[in-house]
Amino acid sequence: RKEVEQDPGPFNVPEGATVAFNCTYSNSASQSFFWYRQDCRKEPKLLMSVYSSGNEDGRFTAQLNRASQYISLLIRDSKLSDSATYLCVVGRNTGGFKTIFGAGTRLFVKA
Amino acid sequence: NAGVTQTPKFRVLKTGQSMTLLCAQDMNHEYMYWYRQDPGMGLRLIHYSVGEGTTAKGEVPDGYNVSRLKKQNFLLGLESAAPSQTSVYFCASSTWGSGATDTQYFGPGTRLTVL
Repeated sequence: RKEVEQDPGPFNVPEGATVAFNCTYSNSASQSFFWYRQDCRKEPKLLMSVYSSGNEDGRFTAQLNRASQYISLLIRDSKLSDSATYLCVVGRNTGGFKTIFGAGTRLFVKA
Repeated sequence: NAGVTQTPKFRVLKTGQSMTLLCAQDMNHEYMYWYRQDPGMGLRLIHYSVGEGTTAKGEVPDGYNVSRLKKQNFLLGLESAAPSQTSVYFCASSTWGSGATDTQYFGPGTRLTVL
C-alpha cells in the first residue's frame, strides 16, 4: 500500500462546477500537509498548505482530518484554467526526513 | 530572480553512458532535493542536501550520486545509465530547518531517455 494515496481520476467537470479531491495517508507521525498543482509537462507548484483548522484561499478550500488520516481539496466555481494534476503531499521529520508525494489526481474542466 | 533552474532540459543517453544534471537556485535556500517522476508513481526522492557540503539518501538513491560543493548548486550524476532511469528529473529547494515541512520550489525538470 502506498503511504499517500489519491484517486487518479480523471475528473471531468463543466465550468462552474464544484469538485472535491480526497487523499489518505498511512503514517500517523505525518506533520505537514500540502496540495501542489502540476500542469502538463511542467513542474509542481505549491497550491496551498493544509492546516488542522482548515483553510481557504479564494475558490479553494483544504481540510485535514488527522483522526481519519485524510486530506481534502475543494474547488468551487471551476475555471478552464484549473485543469491540471493536483498532488497531495505529506511530510514528517520523525524516523528520518520524508516528503511523500501522491501520484496525483487529474482534473479536466470543460467549457 | 530565476528561482530554480535545471540543465539540460532534455537528454538522450545510451545504456552505460554517464551524465551530470545541474540544478541551481538563487533564493539562498539551505535544502535542495532531487526527485524523479514516473507515470502513476508520483515524485520519488533520490537524494537531498541540508546544506553546502552535505548530502543524504532519499527513497530511491541506487544508481545516482550527488554533490553540493556550493550552496546554490546541487548536481545529480548517473555513472552508468540504465533504461530504468528513463524519467523526468526535478530539482527543488526549500528555505531551512525542517525540510519536510517547508514549501518546496521546483525547477522545470529534465527529461531523460536511456536507450
